Amino acid sequence: KNEVEQSPQNLTAQEGEFITINCSYSVGISALHWLQQHPGGGIVSLFMLSSGKKKHGRLIATINIQEKHSSLHITASHPRDSAVYICAVRTYNTDKLIFGTGTRLQVFP
Amino acid sequence: DGGITQSPKYLFRKEGQNVTLSCEQNLNHDAMYWYRQDPGQGLRLIYYSQIVNDFQKGDIAEGYSVSREKKESFPLTVTSAQKNPTAFYLCASSRVGGGVYEQYFGPGTRLTVT
Repeated sequence: KNEVEQSPQNLTAQEGEFITINCSYSVGISALHWLQQHPGGGIVSLFMLSSGKKKHGRLIATINIQEKHSSLHITASHPRDSAVYICAVRTYNTDKLIFGTGTRLQVFP
Repeated sequence: DGGITQSPKYLFRKEGQNVTLSCEQNLNHDAMYWYRQDPGQGLRLIYYSQIVNDFQKGDIAEGYSVSREKKESFPLTVTSAQKNPTAFYLCASSRVGGGVYEQYFGPGTRLTVT
């Protein structure tokens, strides 16, 4: 079993829909990252959080430390949100990142 | 603009040849990392360095080598000993210290070995 699990693996949506991507992990962490990878391959960091909730524009990330679960929400989705969204956790004892396999999102007009 | 550059974006090599991937950053970050990405798998750590002239093996270091002679540069050599070198390679950097810092990623190099 992977230490970081994401669901769903693939997601399609119509423009304007509310999107939720989930991440569960099984290790002790000091922080959790949400990353976005566009088709060209480059990765951009969206959020780093260790508790509660963060919001940037239409993106919201939440984390529940007790349940070892995080969600990434996209409100009013747009075709330009189409990308792979990756969850990564920074382990408490090694300080390294462990990555999920990503969620491929396609938003159609 | 501050950032991380990787070159080239696409690289083709024949089996048995060593190849070096470049990674440069001007963010003044102490730590640099190399990751490998394969279809259907999460990124895996190859090597990392937290200070000049020092580096540590990651989870999949076999068949790879690195150097860190300058703070800005962390080249990765894929040697002929690497059994499955075809992959997408990503370089990243971050600050180090008492806190938890974000990693900033380069655009990646797609290596194809035939």
